[in-house]
Amino acid sequence: AQSVSQHNHHVILSEAASLELGCNYSYGGTVNLFWYVQYPGQHLQLLLKYFSGDPLVKGIKGFEAEFIKSKFSFNLRKPSVQWSDTAEYFCAVNREAAGNKLTFGGGTRVLVKP
Amino acid sequence: DGGITQSPKYLFRKEGQNVTLSCEQNLNHDAMYWYRQDPGQGLRLIYYSQIVNDFQKGDIAEGYSVSREKKESFPLTVTSAQKNPTAFYLCASSIPSGANYGYTFGSGTRLTVV
Repeated sequence: AQSVSQHNHHVILSEAASLELGCNYSYGGTVNLFWYVQYPGQHLQLLLKYFSGDPLVKGIKGFEAEFIKSKFSFNLRKPSVQWSDTAEYFCAVNREAAGNKLTFGGGTRVLVKP
Repeated sequence: DGGITQSPKYLFRKEGQNVTLSCEQNLNHDAMYWYRQDPGQGLRLIYYSQIVNDFQKGDIAEGYSVSREKKESFPLTVTSAQKNPTAFYLCASSIPSGANYGYTFGSGTRLTVV
């Protein structure tokens, strides 16, 4: 079965620190990749997505992610975090051959200390 | 504004009762989904529907039922057969595929069994 792994369950860092969240998936073949964010008390919203083309994808709020096909990875990065980045982050994978379902990772809670 | 409305926001259920969670969208999306969110487990797919009058089981369908009689509506019933129903339930919708593919989420329903 397809699975999505997020290595860190909790991350605590200070403002202006750099952030990198790992995401690996276990399925070969054509995939579409997503990062979603859930701010406290808010809806899940899309940060960025990768379908094809340039493997370095830029999203909202200064986030970016790099698709490395050989490593089955889609890590999320932000060079300098702010307190407002405190949230839970979810990686998700869509296997094109399986239709339009998304499989989500377990999530990473990020706490940015002011 | 287009979006997804889930109701109620909080729901309490006695053991042995069935309850129905509402999900309505005005985005004209064909596909709709129900996920369950538990701490550390991310989002797990319960049921999904790609078109009216059709739906499929997800990864954890046991103890749940759905219907899709209208494009806008995809209610989820949590039956008494669901052994651990206390969780946060998220509804989402999407277009089937294409460059704009991605989920739009509702704000969720928190169900507690008392």
